[in-house]
Amino acid sequence: DVKVTQSSRYLVKRTGEKVFLECVQDMDHENMFWYRQDPGLGLRLIYFSYDVKMKEKGDIPEGYSVSREKKERFSLILESASTNQTSMYLCASPDSTGELFFGEGSRLTVL
Amino acid sequence: GQNIDQPTEMTATEGAIVQINCTYQTSGFNGLFWYQQHAGEAPTFLSYNVLDGLEEKGRFSSFLSRSKGYSYLLLKELQMKDSASYLCAVRGRPGNTGKLIFGQGTTLQVKP
Repeated sequence: DVKVTQSSRYLVKRTGEKVFLECVQDMDHENMFWYRQDPGLGLRLIYFSYDVKMKEKGDIPEGYSVSREKKERFSLILESASTNQTSMYLCASPDSTGELFFGEGSRLTVL
Repeated sequence: GQNIDQPTEMTATEGAIVQINCTYQTSGFNGLFWYQQHAGEAPTFLSYNVLDGLEEKGRFSSFLSRSKGYSYLLLKELQMKDSASYLCAVRGRPGNTGKLIFGQGTTLQVKP
C-alpha cells in the first residue's frame, strides 16, 4: 500500500512565524500535492509537483511556497504565517490510475 | 469555470439506503472519484467512475452520467460507522498528473 506521511498532526504557531509542513511518500511516485481543507470550502489545491525540483501553482498559492529536493519529500512552507492560514493541510500522492492517497493531515492553528 | 456541487448535510437511519448526489461543470473530464472522510482523519478512496453506468462495491455503489454531469453515491444497509463526510472529486486531465477538483463534501449522519 502507498503510504503518505505528514510530519506533524497538530501545530500551533504565532502570526509572522515561518512554518514548514513536511510530507513523505514511500512509493516512488512522481506527483505530489498539497491541499488545504476548510469547512464549507472543501479541499483546495495549493501547489503540486510532478518531479524533483518541479512545482506548479494550484488554485490558492498565495502565501505559500513549496520545496521538492528529493522525490519522496514535498514540503509546504508558510513564509510568514497569518491567522487566515489556520486550516487542515493534506498532502496527497496519486498512483498510476490517478487515485489520490492522502496523509493523515496537519492541523495548523495560527494565533 | 469549474464547479462541483453536493448537498452539505444529510441524515439517514441505520439500515436504510441513502443517495448522495454530485453535479459537476468542469473544463475537461477524465473520471470522477468518491472519497470518505471521518472526522479528524484523511480522506480514503471509495470509488472511481470514468464511463457511464453503475459501479458496485459491496454496500457502496457509484453512478455516472457524463452527458448530464451527474454522479451519485449509494450507500445500502447503513451502519453507524458510515457517519462521515463524502467527497466528490473530478479529474479534468488524463493520467495521474491530473489534478482533482473537489466538491465541498456531504456530511452524512446515521441515526439509530
